[in-house]
Amino acid sequence: EADIYQTPRYLVIGTGKKITLECSQTMGHDKMYWYQQDPGMELHLIHYSYGVNSTEKGDLSSESTVSRIRTEHFPLTLESARPSHTSQYLCASSEGFGTTNEKLFFGSGTQLSVL
Amino acid sequence: KNQVEQSPQSLIILEGKNCTLQCNYTVSPFSNLRWYKQDTGRGPVSLTIMTFSENTKSNGRYTATLDADTKQSSLHITASQLSDSASYICVVSDRGSTLGRLYFGRGTQLTVWP
Repeated sequence: EADIYQTPRYLVIGTGKKITLECSQTMGHDKMYWYQQDPGMELHLIHYSYGVNSTEKGDLSSESTVSRIRTEHFPLTLESARPSHTSQYLCASSEGFGTTNEKLFFGSGTQLSVL
Repeated sequence: KNQVEQSPQSLIILEGKNCTLQCNYTVSPFSNLRWYKQDTGRGPVSLTIMTFSENTKSNGRYTATLDADTKQSSLHITASQLSDSASYICVVSDRGSTLGRLYFGRGTQLTVWP
């Protein structure tokens, strides 16, 4: 069982609200990631971090922002939610740096619905 | 274009039966191929990771094969159980960066009936 936690598990909010999705891991991993997944579709990388104070945008354009002030914490923020943001958001972390077979550990996800 | 294609899109089998899921990829250069199991409403869980030199790897009732020449992989599930009902995702990594970029398939949705 992976020690990576996401809250909330489900979130239903109205358009225009600011939200923060929480992600924490207790494995001491330097690398953390946020993926977006729609039903029946592949995961898309939206943000990643290689360590404290390091954040990068992923392959999929996203209006969200992230921060990495502590190793174990990688929150994702939407300043003004819209119905197009409705999706499942998965947080992940990995150990090692430069190893070929780095294993990704995923959280249980946050299912976001914007009305 | 680097892509990962999985087939079938969905599959229904009876409990106790075996099944094989397919993954074809065009990712180049190739670093490794991973199979993940994703239960409904949960995050993916790693089943196997194979590099270029490995052509088979097992994890309990799950056996993955890799043919790097034809760029094909399969995941064989033996003696299926109800708990095997999930989406199985094939992920291929290239060698373009320190971690390697990951290319995800859309998954095969497996349903096991009693």
